[in-house]
Amino acid sequence: QAVVTQEPSLTVSPGGTVTLTCASSTGAVTSGHYPYWFQQKPGQAPRTLIYDTSNKHSWTPARFSGSLFGGKAALTLSGAQPEDEAEYFCLLSYTGARVFGGGTKLTVL
Amino acid sequence: QVQLQQSGPGLVKPSETLSLTCTVSGGSIRSYFWSWIRQPPGKGLEWIGYIYNSEITYYNSSLKSRSTISIDTSKNQFSLELTSVTAADTAVYYCVWQSPRGGYWGQGTLVTVSS
Repeated sequence: QAVVTQEPSLTVSPGGTVTLTCASSTGAVTSGHYPYWFQQKPGQAPRTLIYDTSNKHSWTPARFSGSLFGGKAALTLSGAQPEDEAEYFCLLSYTGARVFGGGTKLTVL
Repeated sequence: QVQLQQSGPGLVKPSETLSLTCTVSGGSIRSYFWSWIRQPPGKGLEWIGYIYNSEITYYNSSLKSRSTISIDTSKNQFSLELTSVTAADTAVYYCVWQSPRGGYWGQGTLVTVSS
């Protein structure tokens, strides 16, 4: 089974920009992996921010964007706000299976 | 507006079967991927499996022998059964719909395995 790797933790200053990445042990992440990004705050269910690489839900703040970069899926936060402090998980689709990354704990400080 | 409402017991005894149901509104239960995902306390997310277009199932290889996902189109529900549970199965369980419209989550159910 593939392993999906994320940065364990990242810190961003309020108003700053940060990119979270999602790598696959099988090689480059492509649109065919249909990358998803989820945000989870303590005590809450995850919510989907980005689906199919770069599509946003109606509730996704405009400061979040998804892309492919350097063989990885990427979630970029431009203009970080205190309420963006959370854990972020990516999900990749393989033939049949789905695999989550281990999550990135993002601190806004 | 897509909504997923989970139901099922919060306490299961060791060696018994965990059963959860997800009732869907605003989305077609017959289409795309309906998944179960779990999160042990303080840990990350683990994909359990899905049912696709109401008939094709696929499971995490580590849980395949104990997992069954099924669908009841007449009730707009899909369900998870996990057999022979142990304390290691204690987690918050989520149902999730993945479609071209995005990803939608249930509210989560904390299931504790304990005698």
